[in-house]
Amino acid sequence: TQLLEQSPQFLSIQEGENLTVYCNSSSVFSSLQWYRQEPGEGPVLLVTVVTGGEVKKLKRLTFQFGDARKDSSLHITAAQPGDTGLYLCAGAADFGNEKLTFGTGTRLTIIP
Amino acid sequence: DAGVIQSPRHEVTEMGQEVTLRCKPISGHNSLFWYRQTMMRGLELLIYFNNNVPIDDSGMPEDRFSAKMPNASFSTLKIQPSEPRDSAVYFCASSLKGHYGYTFGSGTRLTVV
Repeated sequence: TQLLEQSPQFLSIQEGENLTVYCNSSSVFSSLQWYRQEPGEGPVLLVTVVTGGEVKKLKRLTFQFGDARKDSSLHITAAQPGDTGLYLCAGAADFGNEKLTFGTGTRLTIIP
Repeated sequence: DAGVIQSPRHEVTEMGQEVTLRCKPISGHNSLFWYRQTMMRGLELLIYFNNNVPIDDSGMPEDRFSAKMPNASFSTLKIQPSEPRDSAVYFCASSLKGHYGYTFGSGTRLTVV
């Protein structure tokens, strides 16, 4: 069974600060996705990374896939209250395999 | 497109009753997934379909759970009989095979008392 551990589990910071959350596994993934979930809603896809070492940017969010494709990080610059939510990473074991294993999640709160 | 549509949004039922959750995937998507989310266990895959055929049901907890996809635009997840430990938020998601990423519905919050 492939497991994805996310850290920290909870994070509460002031508006304007920077933060990084991590997604780690002992298994190799063919691709890794990041989702954000708000209360009462389903997760929404933010980004997909597929190549070891790949870096993708989405406005103030920077996503990186580890060289060995076992881990990933999400960095947020100048956090805003709208960034509040549950951040989930999800990995696909094999190319062409649609089945995703979701991480344990990081619950982020940005304090105005 | 209206996205993935799930119904009902909330369901409260008594232990032992049958519960049916419904999902309409995005038109044109050929894969459909049922997940369950709890605080303790996070998001767990229950079953997924490709072209209406069940591909992997290894996450279905036990025989009390069953899922069907009679056509490309509709799926059901049934629990019979329901138990308090089934209380959770159940999500349906769809995707287009060969493309990355799921589109999730808003979920059904199930409470079994």
